[in-house]
Formats: sequence, C-alpha cells, structure tokens
Amino acid sequence: RKEVEQDPGPFNVPEGATVAFNCTYSNSASQSFFWYRQDCRKEPKLLMSVYSSGNEDGRFTAQLNRASQYISLLIRDSKLSDSATYLCVVNIPGGYQKVTFGTGTKLQVIP
Amino acid sequence: NAGVTQTPKFRVLKTGQSMTLLCAQDMNHEYMYWYRQDPGMGLRLIHYSVGEGTTAKGEVPDGYNVSRLKKQNFLLGLESAAPSQTSVYFCASRPGGAGANVLTFGAGSRLTVL
Repeated sequence: RKEVEQDPGPFNVPEGATVAFNCTYSNSASQSFFWYRQDCRKEPKLLMSVYSSGNEDGRFTAQLNRASQYISLLIRDSKLSDSATYLCVVNIPGGYQKVTFGTGTKLQVIP
Repeated sequence: NAGVTQTPKFRVLKTGQSMTLLCAQDMNHEYMYWYRQDPGMGLRLIHYSVGEGTTAKGEVPDGYNVSRLKKQNFLLGLESAAPSQTSVYFCASRPGGAGANVLTFGAGSRLTVL
C-alpha cells in the first residue's frame, strides 16, 4: 500500500461547481498535512496546511480525519484558474521529518 | 526574493555522460532536498541534507551523489547518466525545527538522457 494515495483524476468540472478531493495516508504517526498545488510544468507550491479542526482559506476548505486517516480539500465556486494538479503531502516526524507526496489529483475547470 | 534557484533549467545528455545540478537557496534554510518527478509516480526523494556538511539517502538514491559544502548550496551529481534518469528534478528547502514543515521548491530542472 502506498504511504499516501490520491485519485489521479482528472476531475473535469464546470466553472462555479464545487469539487472535493480526498487523500488517504497509511502511517498513523503522521503529524503534519498539507495541500500543494502544481501547475503544468511548474514547481509545487503550498496551497494550505491542514489542521485537526479543519480550516478554510477563501473558497478552499481542508479537513483532517485522523480516525480514518484521510485529508480532504473542498473547492467552492471553481474558477478556470483553479485548473492544476493538487498534491497531498504528509509529514512523518523522525530524523529528517519524512515528507511524502501523493501522486496528485488533476483538476480541469471547464468554461 | 530569489528563494530556491536551480541551474540548469534544461539539459540533454548522452548515456554515460556526467553532470551536476546546482540548487541554491538564500533563505538560510537548514534542510534541503532533491526530488525527481516522473509521470504517474509523484515526487520521489533522491537525497536530502539536514545541514551543512551532512547528506543522506532518500527513496531512490542509486546513480546519484550529492554534496552540501555550503549551507546555501546543495549539488546533485549524475556520474554516468542513464535513460532511466530522464526526469524533472526539483530541489526544495525548509527551515530546521519541528514546526517548520513547509517546503519551498525551485522551478525544476528538466533532464533528458539519450
């Protein structure tokens, strides 16, 4: 089983739609969780951290479910500019704080 | 604000040639990482460093060497390039400390080995 798993998509949604992605992780010792965004042929950039109580940043909401070991990202009122690949990132504490990336979920917002 | 700078951005090599990728960061970060990204595989850690003068192997270290002689620079070397090393390479850095988990990435280096 992969340490971090994501549905690769693509998710094709119309502008204005709400879309949600899930990401599951296998190591219960994981402590920090993030969503990164990666545009085509560009570097990943931090979208938002994921906190235990859930957190919101504008149209984006992130949730963590430790019992079921998954995190989620909800995007409301999708914009064309949201089209990208969304990477789930999990940090496991240890000697170098192992950072594990999911393979990403591709989102395409359609006019 | 340069952040993390990778050079070169593109390179084409022949099998058996050697080359070095340079990663430079100006944020005084302790930790630096080299990843490779291949279609359908996500980002895989090649080598990392937790401070000047220290390096360690990641998930896919074979065929690569690294050095961190200065805190701001992390070099990735390919001694004898193979077609399987065709990939996009990303360098990343972050501050030290348990709470400083966010990675800053360079723009990537696209390597093709013929």
